[in-house]
Amino acid sequence: KAGVTQTPRYLIKTRGQQVTLSCSPISGHRSVSWYQQTPGQGLQFLFEYFSETQRNKGNFPGRFSGRQFSNSRSEMNVSTLELGDSALYLCASSFSREETQYFGPGTRLLVL
Amino acid sequence: SQQGEEDPQALSIQEGENATMNCSYKTSINNLQWYRQNSGRGLVHLILIRSNEREKHSGRLRVTLDTSKKSSSLLITASRAADTASYFCATAERNQGGKLIFGQGTELSVKP
Repeated sequence: KAGVTQTPRYLIKTRGQQVTLSCSPISGHRSVSWYQQTPGQGLQFLFEYFSETQRNKGNFPGRFSGRQFSNSRSEMNVSTLELGDSALYLCASSFSREETQYFGPGTRLLVL
Repeated sequence: SQQGEEDPQALSIQEGENATMNCSYKTSINNLQWYRQNSGRGLVHLILIRSNEREKHSGRLRVTLDTSKKSSSLLITASRAADTASYFCATAERNQGGKLIFGQGTELSVKP
């Protein structure tokens, strides 16, 4: 089976812009979670989606949003980008909500 | 916020030696997962141990879980230079579905 794929892999944006990141889970996986990784804060949970519904949300401002489609693919959006949003954004998928999460390679976002 | 604390933060050993990393957490969990990350890339899943399990093995990896002490350890036996990476523990809290809370990680360096 193909692993979790994320697009794009690298992205450079300027402050105030918005960005959409995409995640395709492993075939058959219905749960998708997103995480932000920065040198200062480490790995932090953003959101979890299962069956097209957001099941959990981390402590991030409303500028961070996401959705999941009927084929389990997921997108996350960050509006009004700030310098502090520069990070590696990781997506993970699992067969069900409490099983092993398999991570994609991440999207590295740089905000200038 | 991060639940887990990992110890040590950095570990440097010679090839062939064993490496032990510890993780402590604060709340009741469904499971605890260990991941490896090479140079800011995606996370590679190593082992998942459930709250009702005490020990699991996978190849050269041995994970223990002590829910009374809210702690886990990862042992890598006969380390190789290729094991050089950051290692993270992540807990899935009870009733929180797929939300993983990560520790700060242990940076392992295995010298040939």
